[in-house]
Amino acid sequence: EDQVTQSPEALRLQEGESSSLNCSYTVSGLRGLFWYRQDPGKGPEFLFTLYSAGEEKEKERLKATLTKKESFLHITAPKPEDSATYLCAVTDSWGKLQFGAGTQVVVTP
Amino acid sequence: DTGVSQNPRHKITKRGQNVTFRCDPISEHNRLYWYRQTLGQGPEFLTYFQNEAQLEKSRLLSDRFSAERPKGSFSTLEIQRTEQGDSAMYLCASSPGGGELFFGEGSRLTVL
Repeated sequence: EDQVTQSPEALRLQEGESSSLNCSYTVSGLRGLFWYRQDPGKGPEFLFTLYSAGEEKEKERLKATLTKKESFLHITAPKPEDSATYLCAVTDSWGKLQFGAGTQVVVTP
Repeated sequence: DTGVSQNPRHKITKRGQNVTFRCDPISEHNRLYWYRQTLGQGPEFLTYFQNEAQLEKSRLLSDRFSAERPKGSFSTLEIQRTEQGDSAMYLCASSPGGGELFFGEGSRLTVL
């Protein structure tokens, strides 16, 4: 069965302190890996899709990368508004997504 | 607003009652998904539709849960004889196909 493991569970950063979140996965025939951001009490907000190893995507202070076994979400010089839970998900069939438990990021001024 | 709309946003009910949630997807999206999320966990897949056809249901979806998508437009998720373990956020998402899901704000269920 597909598995998605995210680490760390929680991350506390000072404003400007760059860091990386990890998403490791086991799936037979990865079709896509997705990153979402979720604010408290809200639905997940789509950030990126990565399709193949070596691919990278960027959006503002966020950069996602993909290898054959894991993905990283790099947060460069974070601001307090980057505080959220970041979720990783995979699919092998363009049907359902299998989500990890998320990494809760808190950025303090 | 042309995003995914869910109603009600919050439902409090007593154990044993039935509840129904409604989801209105983005109009041009033919796929619609239901997920459940509890505190500190990622969303868990429940079921999904392509147009009006229900293509897959999770083993998590007991026979107390039923979902419909008449005419391939809005969808409803009904939970019969609610239990305290059903307390969760119920998330709806739609997709044009190709993987990216666009989520609504969720419907939070509290079973007393």
